[in-house]
Amino acid sequence: EDQVTQSPEALRLQEGESSSLNCSYTVSGLRGLFWYRQDPGKGPEFLFTLYSAGEEKEKERLKATLTKKESFLHITAPKPEDSATYLCAVQARSGGSNYKLTFGKGTLLTVNP
Amino acid sequence: ETGVTQTPRHLVMGMTNKKSLKCEQHLGHNAMYWYKQSAKKPLELMFVYSLEERVENNSVPSRFSPECPNSSHLFLHLHTLQPEDSALYLCASSQVMAGTYEQYFGPGTRLTVT
Repeated sequence: EDQVTQSPEALRLQEGESSSLNCSYTVSGLRGLFWYRQDPGKGPEFLFTLYSAGEEKEKERLKATLTKKESFLHITAPKPEDSATYLCAVQARSGGSNYKLTFGKGTLLTVNP
Repeated sequence: ETGVTQTPRHLVMGMTNKKSLKCEQHLGHNAMYWYKQSAKKPLELMFVYSLEERVENNSVPSRFSPECPNSSHLFLHLHTLQPEDSALYLCASSQVMAGTYEQYFGPGTRLTVT
């Protein structure tokens, strides 16, 4: 069974203090790993898709990286508006459907001014 | 309207009521999804429709009944719900094609069952 574990559950940073969020996964053949941002009371907002180990993607202060067992979401010089819950999800290639994403519980990031 | 929209945004219903949630996607996608999000739990996939046919139904109680009349609209009909069904219900859509599988979510309906 596919599994996704995100750590830490919650992270509090000062503005400008860079850090990383972790997503460890177990999947029978990775088709894709997805990062989402979710603000309170809203739906998840798509950030990145990573397909293979060694791949990296960047968007403003965020950079996502992928290895064969985990993904990191690096946040450089965060601002208060980066405060949100960050969700990681995986999709299996073998034996799975074209539709099912397995999500982690998320990391709640708070950036203080 | 752009992206994925959901109505209503908030719903309070008694255990004997019947209500429906509506989702509309403006992205030209060919698959639509219902998810349930409860506190401290990962998103749970409930139903998947691809090209208007239900392709997945993840052991969801029959008090939840989905309907997909066309590729842009998705409904979730609710009846005789339980208090533990209170949650954020999210609709998503995707274009299922080679190499592209990311799903785009609507804002959700916050459901409270009293």
